[in-house]
Amino acid sequence: NAGVTQTPKFRILKIGQSMTLQCTQDMNHNYMYWYRQDPGMGLKLIYYSVGAGITDKGEVPNGYNVSRSTTEDFPLRLELAAPSQTSVYFCASRNKGQFGSNQPQHFGDGTRLSIL
Amino acid sequence: GESVGLHLPTLSVQEGDNSIINCAYSNSASDYFIWYKQESGKGPQFIIDIRSNMDKRQGQRVTVLLNKTVKHLSLQIAATQPGDSAVYFCAENDWRGAQKLVFGQGTRLTINP
Repeated sequence: NAGVTQTPKFRILKIGQSMTLQCTQDMNHNYMYWYRQDPGMGLKLIYYSVGAGITDKGEVPNGYNVSRSTTEDFPLRLELAAPSQTSVYFCASRNKGQFGSNQPQHFGDGTRLSIL
Repeated sequence: GESVGLHLPTLSVQEGDNSIINCAYSNSASDYFIWYKQESGKGPQFIIDIRSNMDKRQGQRVTVLLNKTVKHLSLQIAATQPGDSAVYFCAENDWRGAQKLVFGQGTRLTINP
């Protein structure tokens, strides 16, 4: 299994441009997540989804949008890129678990995005 | 708000020694904790997790200890190897929701030959 796959790996954008970061998983996981990681920091949650057709905001959603039309894919959209959005973006997924038990999130290798 | 912090931003140990990475959490409602390892240019890699109804859990060369009284979590790595060099993050979650993890800043572990 490929796990969680993110594309592109690197991207440079100009201020005001838009782009979509792609994330796909082949583990049939219900839950998917987008995080950003700034230099020397931990990850912060942008958006998450508990299943196809359902998305919700995380801690830092401003400037981003998501959609979840299929179980496998969870793209992240930047509409008007700003320098503050320069970061490394990670997508993660996890299984639902039974009887309320938690399952760990599994991460892709990230997209490194620079806004100039 | 909730926060997860780490006591030491860097830690150096000799190859073969044991290492202990510490983590403090502030949300008493957190009921599930995860340790991740992140190598340069890679995404976080799951190491071990623990639920709050446990105080210790062991994996292969790793042990996680949870002290709910003082809201402290630690990761012990036995017989460290060069491949253990990485940044280690703890993360906490109130599992009654959709698992919105709160990550600490991370500890950089360096294994000296």
